[in-house]
Amino acid sequence: DAGITQSPRHKVTETGTPVTLRCHQTENHRYMYWYRQDPGHGLRLIHYSYGVKDTDKGEVSDGYSVSRSKTEDFLLTLESATSSQTSVYFCAISGTNTGELFFGEGSRLTVL
Amino acid sequence: QKEVEQNSGPLSVPEGAIASLNCTYSDRGSQSFFWYRQYSGKSPELIMFIYSNGDKEDGRFTAQLNKASQYVSLLIRDSQPSDSATYLCAVNLLRANNNDMRFGAGTRLTVKP
Repeated sequence: DAGITQSPRHKVTETGTPVTLRCHQTENHRYMYWYRQDPGHGLRLIHYSYGVKDTDKGEVSDGYSVSRSKTEDFLLTLESATSSQTSVYFCAISGTNTGELFFGEGSRLTVL
Repeated sequence: QKEVEQNSGPLSVPEGAIASLNCTYSDRGSQSFFWYRQYSGKSPELIMFIYSNGDKEDGRFTAQLNKASQYVSLLIRDSQPSDSATYLCAVNLLRANNNDMRFGAGTRLTVKP
């Protein structure tokens, strides 16, 4: 199994509070991704990174920011959480820009 | 129109039957195509990928790609109860040399003993 860990795995927070999800990999893969998964929508890309300090927006990036200061860590921040951001968040990594994604175990976020 | 569309199901087949899962995509520039399996409460895992038109077989799984029709399918032969899961079709749009993987909403498959 690919070495990807997400933290926290579960979090309940209140509207308006900041939240940071962490993705840590031990594979030294260049590409890292944050997806959210909601019923009826499948997986939707929030942000991705193609190297240290190199990030770009995905299809549902509003309300989210990311940072990657080291190869192994990719942080997703919700500056002011809203109930619409209640979701399961998956981090994924890839060694190439054409290949398969390896997913972390997911982080379930509930915003009340 | 969604970029990747799948029949939401649920699809139910008896054990030993062939399960057929279908996916269409809208971007003709798409280069690579993937099928992921996701068990309830778990993360997606890759089961097949295909880049060229035609069929690709791996054990009980066969992926089929028709770029002219913008159609990808997954056949599961001799279906087993352990195949019961949600199957996600994914298409790599490969924008600006970066992965831009778009997923369908998934098809839930149930294999009945």
